[in-house]
Amino acid sequence: DTEVTQTPKHLVMGMTNKKSLKCEQHMGHRAMYWYKQKAKKPPELMFVYSYEKLSINESVPSRFSPECPNSSLLNLHLHALQPEDSALYLCASSHGVSGQPQHFGDGTRLSIL
Amino acid sequence: DAKTTQPNSMESNEEEPVHLPCNHSTISGTDYIHWYRQLPSQGPEYVIHGLTSNVNNRMASLAIAEDRKSSTLILHRATLRDAAVYYCIKRGAQKLVFGQGTRLTINP
Repeated sequence: DTEVTQTPKHLVMGMTNKKSLKCEQHMGHRAMYWYKQKAKKPPELMFVYSYEKLSINESVPSRFSPECPNSSLLNLHLHALQPEDSALYLCASSHGVSGQPQHFGDGTRLSIL
Repeated sequence: DAKTTQPNSMESNEEEPVHLPCNHSTISGTDYIHWYRQLPSQGPEYVIHGLTSNVNNRMASLAIAEDRKSSTLILHRATLRDAAVYYCIKRGAQKLVFGQGTRLTINP
């Protein structure tokens, strides 16, 4: 069982849809992360939040919009995605941003039609 | 930011020890060495991490070279449930940068 919960587990959407991915943790962690993972590839960092403020954006297209409404929640808002955005989206959290292990959720598998 | 270097795949037998090597020749003095593994259809799972000294936990041991340019993850007695992709990562400030990892196969 993972302590980082991601919903939904699967999402199919059209290129004109707007949807959101949700991530929740109750471990008191103050750093949260979004990763993208394509099939048979390693995860790639997208965004880092530290104390609810965006600290790293790895040049992610603006059709992905992260939001951290509080220290336990992390959202990823999706709009006008492309078929190549189909991937597993992973959320992670850690106590802080320097050195500490990250705890991952099991991801949302996103398919863009 | 150079990633680590790992063999693409390794194979071992059940109930035998497994030594997974990793080279990180560009590691800086403040980078931690982290190991994660990813089972099919799951997110990565933290295994172990260290800075300079060897480390042990209930899952594995981490042996770090004296010059810190390489490390070895040791699974003392492999089970079929240890079959996964193992990632060795230099953990600097804020980021985990995953390399390609080692796909470990365990034979019954």
